[in-house]
Amino acid sequence: NAGVTQTPKFQVLKTGQSMTLQCAQDMNHNSMYWYRQDPGMGLRLIYYSASEGTTDKGEVPNGYNVSRLNKREFSLRLESAAPSQTSVYFCASSEFESYEQYFGPGTRLTVT
Amino acid sequence: GEDVEQSLFLSVREGDSSVINCTYTDSSSTYLYWYKQEPGAGLQLLTYIFSNMDMKQDQRLTVLLNKKDKHLSLRIADTQTGDSAIYFCAESGANNLFFGTGTRLTVIP
Repeated sequence: NAGVTQTPKFQVLKTGQSMTLQCAQDMNHNSMYWYRQDPGMGLRLIYYSASEGTTDKGEVPNGYNVSRLNKREFSLRLESAAPSQTSVYFCASSEFESYEQYFGPGTRLTVT
Repeated sequence: GEDVEQSLFLSVREGDSSVINCTYTDSSSTYLYWYKQEPGAGLQLLTYIFSNMDMKQDQRLTVLLNKKDKHLSLRIADTQTGDSAIYFCAESGANNLFFGTGTRLTVIP
């Protein structure tokens, strides 16, 4: 069991570029989440997917889009990256909403 | 949304006990969690407590829950240098977990 995997591990973008962060889980979990982590601010939820075929906004969705491609995969897209999106991004999954979450290793994104 | 608060830093000497505190706002939370984040890694679930419990012990870890005061604590006995990390508490909401800002624990040899 790989658990939750994320690619890439590191990325540098220029302002205005786009990219997609990939996430996959092999635990047959129904719910998946995208967070960003900034110093002194803990984890903030960007988007989540309670089950395959559904997505909902979290606390900080502006500037992001998501796709729940199938039960295993949940991607996060930045259409036009901004320096304020420099952060560490974590994907997580859980069997159901509000159950314990399992986290990926993170993607460190820098936007210059 | 829910507000989960933790102090940002804690330093202890190796071999002492560490106590990390957390306050939360949603009295209807079913579960409360403690996660550990080591440098450069994701969060790992350490332990959790069901809301109808006052205490849970798991080897060196003791979780205390005071529902009246909405206060959660994590005690680590015999703290080791490998315990140096950021510790997050989280409360369960209707759709999600709500995380505190994290407490950075530094263990001094």
